[in-house]
Amino acid sequence: GAGVSQSPRYKVAKRGQDVALRCDPISGHVSLFWYQQALGQGPEFLTYFQNEAQLDKSGLPSDRFFAERPEGSVSTLKIQRTQQEDSAVYLCASSIPLASPRGTQYFGPGTRLLVL
Amino acid sequence: SQQGEEDPQALSIQEGENATMNCSYKTSINNLQWYRQNSGRGLVHLILIRSNEREKHSGRLRVTLDTSKKSSSLLITASRAADTASYFCATTMEYGNKLVFGAGTILRVKS
Repeated sequence: GAGVSQSPRYKVAKRGQDVALRCDPISGHVSLFWYQQALGQGPEFLTYFQNEAQLDKSGLPSDRFFAERPEGSVSTLKIQRTQQEDSAVYLCASSIPLASPRGTQYFGPGTRLLVL
Repeated sequence: SQQGEEDPQALSIQEGENATMNCSYKTSINNLQWYRQNSGRGLVHLILIRSNEREKHSGRLRVTLDTSKKSSSLLITASRAADTASYFCATTMEYGNKLVFGAGTILRVKS
């Protein structure tokens, strides 16, 4: 079946602009994760949803970052008043939380954000 | 912050040779996974090893886990040019679902 999809694939924003990044998880996957990957680094956790509930947002770097998943399927990561340090690839992943073993996540292609 | 270190940071080998990458982590884990990332693309799950397992095989991949040393290694045998990519280890903690990634190893296989 279809994998995780993300849009847009590329986004150029002027500093101070707001951006919204979309993630469509694999159908039936109740867990959804957002990660931020800086150039040359491994991904870093931002936030986690189980269905529509945001259970962990400990990785969000500031209150400019906001994520939602209102109907427990599609998720949007919003960044307000973008700064240059927000430039990164934003990866979305989904999984089945009760699957054993725990932890295998399926990643989308990412959105590459460049803030000028 | 990231879980730990991977070494080497970069590795260049000839097609047909074996490639070994190492990963260390800091805290107790539920499992450890290896992912591959091709340039400009998403992460692809390769293999998962549980904390109570010591070795696992999948095709040309062999993963070992030493929980006493908090380290893992990924061996790719008979490498191919198509194996050229970045490889990341990622851990899932004993409690929780998020993945904590290392910084990755860039593998280049020359044909």
